[in-house]
Amino acid sequence: AQKITQTQPGMFVQEKEAVTLDCTYDTSDQSYGLFWYKQPSSGEMIFLIYQGSYDEQNATEGRYSLNFQKARKSANLVISASQLGDSAMYFCAMRENNQGGKLIFGQGTELSVKP
Amino acid sequence: GAGVSQTPSNKVTEKGKYVELRCDPISGHTALYWYRQSLGQGPEFLIYFQGTGAADDSGLPNDRFFAVRPEGSVSTLKIQRTERGDSAVYLCASSLTKWTEAFFGQGTRLTVV
Repeated sequence: AQKITQTQPGMFVQEKEAVTLDCTYDTSDQSYGLFWYKQPSSGEMIFLIYQGSYDEQNATEGRYSLNFQKARKSANLVISASQLGDSAMYFCAMRENNQGGKLIFGQGTELSVKP
Repeated sequence: GAGVSQTPSNKVTEKGKYVELRCDPISGHTALYWYRQSLGQGPEFLIYFQGTGAADDSGLPNDRFFAVRPEGSVSTLKIQRTERGDSAVYLCASSLTKWTEAFFGQGTRLTVV
C-alpha cells in the first residue's frame, strides 16, 4: 500500500496567488514526522517544512505552511503569494520514528507558476 | 562548501561494469542516507548510516549494491555488474541526527548503456 499519496501530478497557479498541494499518508505508528521538499530542475532536494505528529499547531516557514489534519491523515502544503521561482516538483515525505531517519516519498506534484 | 557534495555529477558506464558514487556529507552530520530516483518518481530509500555502521540497508535492491562509510564521514555507494535498470539519479542526504531534517546533495545521474 502507498504510504504517501500525492494525487496531483501537475498544478498551475497564477503568480501572487496561493496554492495548496495535497498529501495524504498511511501509518499505524503514533510517532512520525512529515516533510515537504522542493526539487527544481537543477535536481537538488530542498527542505521546506516539517510537522511532527505530536505538534498541535500547524508548521509555518515564511510563505510555506503545512495544513496538518491528523484524523484525516493529510499534510497539505500551502504556498502563499506564489512566485515564478516556486515552479518546481514538490515532494511530500514521511518518517516513521521507529524506522530510524529514512524518508518515504510520494510521487510528487509539478507546480507551474504563471506570470 | 557547506552542503552535501556528490561526485561525479554524471556517470555513463557500460552494462556489466562496476561503478562507485561518492557522497561527502555536511561536516558533523552523523546520519547519512542514499536514495535512488527514477524519472518521474519520488526518491526511494536505499540505505542509512548512523556513524560508520549501516543502521538500515533494507532498501538495497540486491547484492550488487553495497555502501560503506568507513570513517563516519564520506560514503561510497558501489554497484557491481551494472544493468540498464540501474540508470537513475542517486541522491545522498545527511542530517545532524536521525531526528532532524535531511539535506540533500545534487545527485549523481547514472546512465548504464
